[in-house]
Amino acid sequence: ETVLTQSPGTLSLSPGERATLSCRASQSVAGGYLAWYQQKPGQAPRLLFYTTSSRATGIPDRFSGSGSGTDFTLTISGLEPEDFAVYFCQQYGSSPWTFGQGTKVEIK
Amino acid sequence: EVQLVESGGGLVQPGGSLRLSCAASGFTFSTYSMNWVRQAPGEGLEWVSYITSSSGTIYYADSVKGRFTISRDNAKNSLFLQMNSLRDEDTALYYCARGRGVAGGGFYFDYWGQGALVTVSS
Repeated sequence: ETVLTQSPGTLSLSPGERATLSCRASQSVAGGYLAWYQQKPGQAPRLLFYTTSSRATGIPDRFSGSGSGTDFTLTISGLEPEDFAVYFCQQYGSSPWTFGQGTKVEIK
Repeated sequence: EVQLVESGGGLVQPGGSLRLSCAASGFTFSTYSMNWVRQAPGEGLEWVSYITSSSGTIYYADSVKGRFTISRDNAKNSLFLQMNSLRDEDTALYYCARGRGVAGGGFYFDYWGQGALVTVSS
């Protein structure tokens, strides 16, 4: 099973600042098959990116995904108030498909 | 607009059973694989089960294999999860999620329902 470790656990930033979230896999993620989701309190997860850097429908371009092999990054270039949430990564290159434990982006 | 609406959650004693349903609308249900993903209170996400569009292929996480059964009714645009021999650690919010597959890989989830809460407790 591929274990995904997200860091940091919590990121305290101010609106307008840049957020950099890391997702590290215990083994290489085949095909770069890594997705990112955003989850706000009381809401279902929302797909942000698939296959590392393909933006899902309606996702603003201040969000970007990058990486390869075992190291992946989600970057938010300038935080908007609605971006404060928990972010999960998920790999689907090998079964079982697994998620990271999440990074909470909170207002400083 | 894609909509997934789960129902059937509730409180059940350890060893008991529960059946979750997911009503789909806004897309051609019969052409998509579907999944159940769960989230324990305050925890992360865990993929539970997957079923192809025709029900020809089904997968389960090891944690639920032999206890849970996924099924679907394409005529009624519905997905189901029969949960038997429930344990305390099955307590979670269960999401129905549409799967998008890739060649040589698995699935990511592009639409999610709001979830059905299952609480296993005596």
